[in-house]
Amino acid sequence: DTGVSQNPRHKITKRGQNVTFRCDPISEHNRLYWYRQTLGQGPEFLTYFQNEAQLEKSRLLSDRFSAERPKGSFSTLEIQRTEQGDSAMYLCAGTLSGVETQYFGPGTRLLVL
Amino acid sequence: AQSVTQLGSHVSVSEGALVLLRCNYSSSVPPYLFWYVQYPNQGLQLLLKYTTGATLVKGINGFEAEFKKSETSFHLTKPSAHMSDAAEYFCAVSQGSNYQLIWGAGTKLIIKP
Repeated sequence: DTGVSQNPRHKITKRGQNVTFRCDPISEHNRLYWYRQTLGQGPEFLTYFQNEAQLEKSRLLSDRFSAERPKGSFSTLEIQRTEQGDSAMYLCAGTLSGVETQYFGPGTRLLVL
Repeated sequence: AQSVTQLGSHVSVSEGALVLLRCNYSSSVPPYLFWYVQYPNQGLQLLLKYTTGATLVKGINGFEAEFKKSETSFHLTKPSAHMSDAAEYFCAVSQGSNYQLIWGAGTKLIIKP
């Protein structure tokens, strides 16, 4: 157990609906990363935070996606107007600055019908 | 851009046999290298990592990997496979100040009784 939690673990939604996922790293993790993993593929980087500042966003993160980490603790990832292509596992990882190892939560599996 | 190649999307070995999962990366500068394991419907668990120093790295569950700079490889091995090793294994590299991970596509390890 890495101590990183994600909620919900599973989400089924209809195309066009908005969804929000939450990640809670351990308190020492000042860096937080979001990845997306589609079936049969490795994870793909989406974005990362240093404390509450969002420092980098992938081109994969279209304008329908937004992520926040308001107090430098938990983070949320929102997808607006979901599309079937958004169906994937969304993974969150935490780490300390200057430490190369990322610790992953269990993921949120999204299915868009 | 960096890339990671894992040879073989599926590898099947008999219980008790040697496990060899291959990983090659493209980078002119030695990156940090990782192997993660993912069990069905779970997040990613760190198996082992190479940062600096000794090129043979030991990890959990009897796995080890050797960093070979000349071959740009970081292959994962285990002398004797166990049924509980059945899972998907991902090789990843990170470089730069944000430690963003670049992932291979994964190798599903199948253990035959």
